[in-house]
Amino acid sequence: DSGVTQTPKHLITATGQRVTLRCSPRSGDLSVYWYQQSLDQGLQFLIQYYNGEERAKGNILERFSAQQFPDLHSELNLSSLELGDSALYFCASSAEGTGELFFGEGSRLTVL
Amino acid sequence: GESVGLHLPTLSVQEGDNSIINCAYSNSASDYFIWYKQESGKGPQFIIDIRSNMDKRQGQRVTVLLNKTVKHLSLQIAATQPGDSAVYFCAEKVGTDKLIFGTGTRLQVFP
Repeated sequence: DSGVTQTPKHLITATGQRVTLRCSPRSGDLSVYWYQQSLDQGLQFLIQYYNGEERAKGNILERFSAQQFPDLHSELNLSSLELGDSALYFCASSAEGTGELFFGEGSRLTVL
Repeated sequence: GESVGLHLPTLSVQEGDNSIINCAYSNSASDYFIWYKQESGKGPQFIIDIRSNMDKRQGQRVTVLLNKTVKHLSLQIAATQPGDSAVYFCAEKVGTDKLIFGTGTRLQVFP
């Protein structure tokens, strides 16, 4: 158990819909990262937050957005969903000054 | 558990043999590298890391080698066991915190 909690574990929805994925980092970790893992892309970095502020951005689509709340949990919002958005979405957290990321179990999104 | 189902390079080894998994990284300015293991249906788990001022680092049954000249990283697993079967990713730290992952290698261990 990494200490990072993600909900929901599985989500099935239709094209055009909007979903929210939730992540609770390890206790004390200020940084939260979101990654997308699909069949032909491996682990793609989406975005990182540190103590509520956006710190780094990767290949995140404009239809996707994220935020980190004062209690340090984070949400990834995916809107106008397309079939190609079907993937595993991982959240990870890290302690300040370390490079090691601790990953959650992921949220599997299926868009039909 | 569910399989990620990635079309990955696959390394098949016999139980008890040593495994070597290779990775080429892209950014010559990267100063920190990590190997992760991802079992079916789970998130990636940290295995071992190495900083760019080192060429080699050893853990329990695992060794990471770093060749900065050719931007190459390898993970050696000694006496490979069935529980080592997983997808292995290398990752490089770019900038302050962002970790960029390689495409991964699937390790299959057969008896």
